[in-house]
Amino acid sequence: EILMTQSPATLSVSPGERATLSCRASQSVSSKLAWYQQKPGQAPRLLIYGASTRATGIPARFSGFGSGTEFTLTISSLQSEDFAVYYCQQYNDWPPMYTFGQGTKLEI
Amino acid sequence: QLQLQESGPGLVKPSETLSLTCTVSGGSLNSSSFFWAWIRQPPGKGLEWIATIYYTGSTYYNPSLKSRVTVSVDTPRNQFSLRLSSVTAADTALYYCARDNRVFLWGQGTLVTVSS
Repeated sequence: EILMTQSPATLSVSPGERATLSCRASQSVSSKLAWYQQKPGQAPRLLIYGASTRATGIPARFSGFGSGTEFTLTISSLQSEDFAVYYCQQYNDWPPMYTFGQGTKLEI
Repeated sequence: QLQLQESGPGLVKPSETLSLTCTVSGGSLNSSSFFWAWIRQPPGKGLEWIATIYYTGSTYYNPSLKSRVTVSVDTPRNQFSLRLSSVTAADTALYYCARDNRVFLWGQGTLVTVSS
């Protein structure tokens, strides 16, 4: 099983600032990495897939980078609606054995 | 627009079987492009993939749950289902169904509590 580790667990930032979230895989997942945003009481929403491709309707202030074992999600100029929990997910294996990071809470 | 809706009992007794159904609307379960998945999230915790199924009935399970999980598909009704046997309090979670395209499009989730 590929273990996904996110850091930090909590990130405190101010609106208008830039936030960088990290995700590390225990072994290479190539670019088979997705990022999700989850707000309280809501299901996760896909932000990024293929490590760097924004999903439909996702604002350009969200960007993903990385390959292999090291990945980042950057949110430039944070908006109030961006404060949420962010999860990374790898989908490198077939047959599937999907795993998620433990999440990073982005708070004011 | 594709929508997924989970349904089933919100309370299950320990040692019994949890059963949930996901109804897909705005799209066909028969699509050859997608798989269909179950994922869960214990209260205040992270996400755990449970299983994935293709419309043909091919199934893929998380090894940590495989001995207790069964997923099935009902293409005429555009539904797929989850059964988790011998539940304990550790199985209390929000259960999501999702379209699986290697990444997920999620239903709203349904809370299942395991308690006597």
